[in-house]
Amino acid sequence: EAGVVQSPRYKIIEKKQPVAFWCNPISGHNTLYWYLQNLGQGPELLIRYENEEAVDDSQLPKDRFSAERLKGVDSTLKIQPAELGDSAVYLCASSYQGGNEQFFGPGTRLTVL
Amino acid sequence: AQSVSQHNHHVILSEAASLELGCNYSYGGTVNLFWYVQYPGQHLQLLLKYFSGDPLVKGIKGFEAEFIKSKFSFNLRKPSVQWSDTAEYFCAVSRPGGSYIPTFGRGTSLIVHP
Repeated sequence: EAGVVQSPRYKIIEKKQPVAFWCNPISGHNTLYWYLQNLGQGPELLIRYENEEAVDDSQLPKDRFSAERLKGVDSTLKIQPAELGDSAVYLCASSYQGGNEQFFGPGTRLTVL
Repeated sequence: AQSVSQHNHHVILSEAASLELGCNYSYGGTVNLFWYVQYPGQHLQLLLKYFSGDPLVKGIKGFEAEFIKSKFSFNLRKPSVQWSDTAEYFCAVSRPGGSYIPTFGRGTSLIVHP
């Protein structure tokens, strides 16, 4: 069984530039999560999708962050414009019907210069 | 809101030493508890979980954790560590029902010397 796929794995950009991350969840998993993981910290939820619907996005900084999950499968997380403090690892996870066990992707490590 | 504390941020052990990583949570109601592991260069993966029943939970690779409700703790243990256990370990808690979104601790970095 293929796991959660994320791309790119690494991204380096200059501040004020836009950046996008892509996630493909495990087949059949209708719940998708985006997490932010700062260095030396545990993951923190940014947004959760049930199929196409964003059901929990209270932690998403909506002035610069946006996300979409068209057709309820793949998802894209965007930052525009990026700031220095956005440097972190962005993790995607999926689960079956919001179940207890989440499966994580390898993450995208973003460096903003 | 629940919170999770992992008191050991960095642990260094020699092979065959015993391991215990502390985890305490703040939520007073029923909880689901997890330990995740992240090996160098790899993604987060579930090590073990507790939902109900026997408070002593056995996971993969010889790890176990004990849920002590009165102490709000879910410490991770392994009687004899190996070099391959070098990794980052995260404790997490979620509330049953609803979204099961876990709150993670800040993690413990374990280095095992051969």
